[in-house]
Amino acid sequence: GENVEQHPSTLSVQEGDSAVIKCTYSDSASNYFPWYKQELGKGPQLIIDIRSNVGEKKDQRIAVTLNKTAKHFSLHITETQPEDSAVYFCAAKTSYDKVIFGPGTSLSVIP
Amino acid sequence: DTGVSQDPRHKITKRGQNVTFRCDPISEHNRLYWYRQTLGQGPEFLTYFQNEAQLEKSRLLSDRFSAERPKGSFSTLEIQRTEQGDSAMYLCASSPTGVQGYTFGSGTRLTVV
Repeated sequence: GENVEQHPSTLSVQEGDSAVIKCTYSDSASNYFPWYKQELGKGPQLIIDIRSNVGEKKDQRIAVTLNKTAKHFSLHITETQPEDSAVYFCAAKTSYDKVIFGPGTSLSVIP
Repeated sequence: DTGVSQDPRHKITKRGQNVTFRCDPISEHNRLYWYRQTLGQGPEFLTYFQNEAQLEKSRLLSDRFSAERPKGSFSTLEIQRTEQGDSAMYLCASSPTGVQGYTFGSGTRLTVV
Protein backbone atom coordinates (compact mmCIF):
# COMPACT_ATOMS: atom_id res chain seq x y z
CA GLY A 1 0.00 0.00 0.00
CA GLU A 2 0.88 3.68 -0.14
CA ASN A 3 3.42 5.08 2.32
CA VAL A 4 4.13 8.78 2.74
CA GLU A 5 7.25 10.06 4.45
CA GLN A 6 7.74 13.67 5.53
CA HIS A 7 10.72 15.77 6.65
CA PRO A 8 11.56 17.54 8.82
CA SER A 9 9.43 16.55 11.79
CA THR A 10 9.96 19.97 13.39
CA LEU A 11 10.88 23.26 11.77
CA SER A 12 11.56 26.61 13.38
CA VAL A 13 11.94 29.78 11.28
CA GLN A 14 12.12 33.50 11.91
CA GLU A 15 9.12 35.55 10.88
CA GLY A 16 9.51 36.61 7.27
CA ASP A 17 11.76 33.70 6.30
CA SER A 18 10.70 30.81 4.07
CA ALA A 19 9.79 27.31 5.20
CA VAL A 20 10.10 24.15 3.11
CA ILE A 21 8.62 20.75 3.92
CA LYS A 22 9.47 17.72 1.81
CA CYS A 23 7.58 14.49 1.26
CA THR A 24 8.02 11.26 -0.64
CA TYR A 25 5.44 8.68 -1.61
CA SER A 26 5.73 5.05 -2.60
CA ASP A 27 2.76 4.26 -4.86
CA SER A 28 3.42 5.42 -8.42
CA ALA A 29 -0.34 5.22 -9.06
CA SER A 30 -1.04 8.08 -6.63
CA ASN A 31 -2.48 10.99 -8.57
CA TYR A 32 -3.47 13.66 -6.05
CA PHE A 33 -1.37 15.31 -3.36
CA PRO A 34 -3.07 17.55 -0.78
CA TRP A 35 -1.49 19.51 2.05
CA TYR A 36 -3.29 20.06 5.33
CA LYS A 37 -2.69 22.46 8.20
CA GLN A 38 -3.77 21.42 11.69
CA GLU A 39 -4.00 23.84 14.58
CA LEU A 40 -4.27 22.71 18.17
CA GLY A 41 -7.65 21.21 18.97
CA LYS A 42 -8.88 21.38 15.39
CA GLY A 43 -9.22 19.01 12.50
CA PRO A 44 -6.85 19.25 9.51
CA GLN A 45 -7.67 22.00 7.02
CA LEU A 46 -6.88 21.67 3.31
CA ILE A 47 -4.58 24.53 2.30
CA ILE A 48 -3.41 23.56 -1.19
CA ASP A 49 -3.32 20.53 -3.44
CA ILE A 50 -1.71 19.39 -6.68
CA ARG A 51 -2.64 16.79 -9.23
CA SER A 52 -0.20 14.44 -10.88
CA ASN A 53 -0.44 16.16 -14.28
CA VAL A 54 0.84 19.44 -12.81
CA GLY A 55 4.39 20.18 -11.69
CA GLU A 56 3.84 23.29 -9.62
CA LYS A 57 0.99 25.27 -8.09
CA LYS A 58 1.00 28.54 -6.20
CA ASP A 59 -1.56 30.29 -3.99
CA GLN A 60 -0.37 33.58 -2.56
CA ARG A 61 2.46 32.73 -0.10
CA ILE A 62 2.11 28.97 -0.51
CA ALA A 63 3.46 26.85 -3.35
CA VAL A 64 3.69 23.13 -3.98
CA THR A 65 5.96 21.27 -6.38
CA LEU A 66 5.71 17.70 -7.60
CA ASN A 67 8.39 15.49 -9.14
CA LYS A 68 6.57 12.36 -10.32
CA THR A 69 9.73 10.64 -11.50
CA ALA A 70 11.36 10.89 -8.10
CA LYS A 71 8.04 10.59 -6.23
CA HIS A 72 8.81 13.75 -4.30
CA PHE A 73 6.60 16.70 -3.49
CA SER A 74 7.23 19.81 -1.41
CA LEU A 75 5.44 22.68 0.30
CA HIS A 76 6.99 26.13 0.26
CA ILE A 77 5.74 28.94 2.49
CA THR A 78 7.25 32.37 1.88
CA GLU A 79 7.19 35.43 4.14
CA THR A 80 6.15 33.32 7.10
CA GLN A 81 3.92 34.85 9.77
CA PRO A 82 3.26 33.74 13.37
CA GLU A 83 -0.20 32.50 12.35
CA ASP A 84 1.51 30.00 10.04
CA SER A 85 2.62 28.10 13.18
CA ALA A 86 0.85 24.73 13.10
CA VAL A 87 1.35 21.10 12.15
CA TYR A 88 1.44 20.50 8.40
CA PHE A 89 0.64 17.16 6.78
CA CYS A 90 1.38 16.08 3.27
CA ALA A 91 -0.75 13.32 1.82
CA ALA A 92 -1.24 11.20 -1.27
CA LYS A 93 -4.42 9.82 -2.72
CA THR A 94 -4.26 6.35 -4.17
CA SER A 95 -6.34 4.92 -6.93
CA TYR A 96 -8.55 3.45 -4.20
CA ASP A 97 -9.85 6.89 -3.34
CA LYS A 98 -8.40 7.22 0.15
CA VAL A 99 -5.88 9.77 1.34
CA ILE A 100 -2.76 8.53 3.13
CA PHE A 101 -1.10 11.09 5.38
CA GLY A 102 2.52 11.69 6.28
CA PRO A 103 3.56 11.93 9.94
CA GLY A 104 3.47 15.73 10.02
CA THR A 105 5.81 18.69 10.44
CA SER A 106 5.44 21.01 13.40
CA LEU A 107 6.23 24.51 12.15
CA SER A 108 7.05 27.30 14.60
CA VAL A 109 7.38 30.86 13.31
CA ILE A 110 9.31 33.02 15.77
CA PRO A 111 8.24 36.68 15.83
CA ASP B 1 -23.70 25.20 6.17
CA THR B 2 -21.63 24.86 9.32
CA GLY B 3 -19.12 22.30 8.08
CA VAL B 4 -18.53 18.78 9.33
CA SER B 5 -19.89 18.31 12.84
CA GLN B 6 -18.70 15.64 15.26
CA ASP B 7 -20.21 14.71 18.59
CA PRO B 8 -19.08 14.44 21.31
CA ARG B 9 -15.89 16.52 21.25
CA HIS B 10 -14.43 14.59 24.16
CA LYS B 11 -15.22 11.18 25.64
CA ILE B 12 -13.66 9.50 28.64
CA THR B 13 -14.60 5.87 29.16
CA LYS B 14 -13.50 2.93 31.23
CA ARG B 15 -11.76 0.04 29.59
CA GLY B 16 -14.25 -2.54 28.39
CA GLN B 17 -17.09 -0.09 27.81
CA ASN B 18 -18.67 0.57 24.43
CA VAL B 19 -18.63 4.05 22.88
CA THR B 20 -20.34 5.56 19.87
CA PHE B 21 -19.39 8.71 17.97
CA ARG B 22 -21.48 10.64 15.49
CA CYS B 23 -20.49 12.57 12.39
CA ASP B 24 -22.73 14.92 10.42
CA PRO B 25 -21.09 15.71 7.07
CA ILE B 26 -21.64 18.80 4.97
CA SER B 27 -25.05 18.41 3.39
CA GLU B 28 -24.98 16.90 -0.09
CA HIS B 29 -21.47 15.50 0.46
CA ASN B 30 -22.02 11.87 -0.48
CA ARG B 31 -18.58 10.66 0.59
CA LEU B 32 -17.73 10.30 4.26
CA TYR B 33 -14.44 9.17 5.78
CA TRP B 34 -13.30 8.13 9.25
CA TYR B 35 -9.70 8.56 10.36
CA ARG B 36 -7.89 7.98 13.65
CA GLN B 37 -5.09 10.23 14.85
CA THR B 38 -2.77 9.53 17.77
CA LEU B 39 -0.55 12.15 19.37
CA GLY B 40 2.25 13.30 17.10
CA GLN B 41 1.08 11.25 14.14
CA GLY B 42 -0.79 11.87 10.93
CA PRO B 43 -4.39 10.72 10.53
CA GLU B 44 -4.75 7.02 9.71
CA PHE B 45 -7.51 5.88 7.37
CA LEU B 46 -10.19 3.69 8.94
CA THR B 47 -13.10 3.47 6.49
CA TYR B 48 -15.17 5.37 3.98
CA PHE B 49 -18.69 5.52 2.64
CA GLN B 50 -20.21 6.60 -0.62
CA ASN B 51 -23.78 7.39 0.29
CA GLU B 52 -24.84 4.50 2.54
CA ALA B 53 -22.39 1.96 1.09
CA GLN B 54 -19.22 1.24 3.06
CA LEU B 55 -16.64 0.85 0.28
CA GLU B 56 -13.41 0.18 2.11
CA LYS B 57 -12.23 -0.74 5.58
CA SER B 58 -8.67 -0.54 6.86
CA ARG B 59 -6.99 -3.45 8.61
CA LEU B 60 -6.84 -1.04 11.57
CA LEU B 61 -10.60 -1.47 11.89
CA SER B 62 -10.73 -4.60 14.02
CA ASP B 63 -13.94 -6.49 14.64
CA ARG B 64 -14.51 -4.31 17.72
CA PHE B 65 -15.06 -1.33 15.42
CA SER B 66 -18.15 -0.82 13.33
CA ALA B 67 -19.26 2.13 11.25
CA GLU B 68 -22.62 2.84 9.69
CA ARG B 69 -24.22 5.46 7.51
CA PRO B 70 -27.78 4.20 7.34
CA LYS B 71 -29.44 6.84 5.19
CA GLY B 72 -26.40 8.26 3.47
CA SER B 73 -26.37 11.31 5.72
CA PHE B 74 -24.85 11.13 9.23
CA SER B 75 -22.52 8.32 10.26
CA THR B 76 -21.73 6.57 13.53
CA LEU B 77 -18.54 4.84 14.62
CA GLU B 78 -18.88 2.36 17.46
CA ILE B 79 -16.06 0.82 19.42
CA GLN B 80 -16.95 -2.19 21.55
CA ARG B 81 -14.97 -3.38 24.57
CA THR B 82 -12.65 -0.39 24.47
CA GLU B 83 -8.96 -0.84 25.18
CA GLN B 84 -6.37 1.72 26.26
CA GLY B 85 -4.83 1.54 22.81
CA ASP B 86 -8.07 2.94 21.38
CA SER B 87 -7.31 6.32 22.98
CA ALA B 88 -6.97 8.73 20.07
CA MET B 89 -8.65 11.51 18.13
CA TYR B 90 -11.31 10.16 15.78
CA LEU B 91 -11.74 12.41 12.77
CA CYS B 92 -14.54 12.48 10.24
CA ALA B 93 -14.29 14.09 6.82
CA SER B 94 -16.60 14.49 3.86
CA SER B 95 -16.43 15.41 0.20
CA PRO B 96 -18.76 15.53 -2.78
CA THR B 97 -18.19 13.10 -5.64
CA GLY B 98 -15.66 14.38 -8.13
CA VAL B 99 -13.94 16.68 -5.64
CA GLN B 100 -10.61 15.44 -4.38
CA GLY B 101 -10.18 17.45 -1.21
CA TYR B 102 -11.78 16.54 2.11
CA THR B 103 -13.33 18.78 4.72
CA PHE B 104 -12.57 17.52 8.22
CA GLY B 105 -14.51 17.96 11.41
CA SER B 106 -12.83 18.92 14.68
CA GLY B 107 -12.77 15.33 15.86
CA THR B 108 -13.79 13.34 18.92
CA ARG B 109 -11.03 12.81 21.45
CA LEU B 110 -11.39 9.43 23.15
CA THR B 111 -9.59 8.62 26.39
CA VAL B 112 -9.83 5.07 27.70
CA VAL B 113 -8.89 4.76 31.38
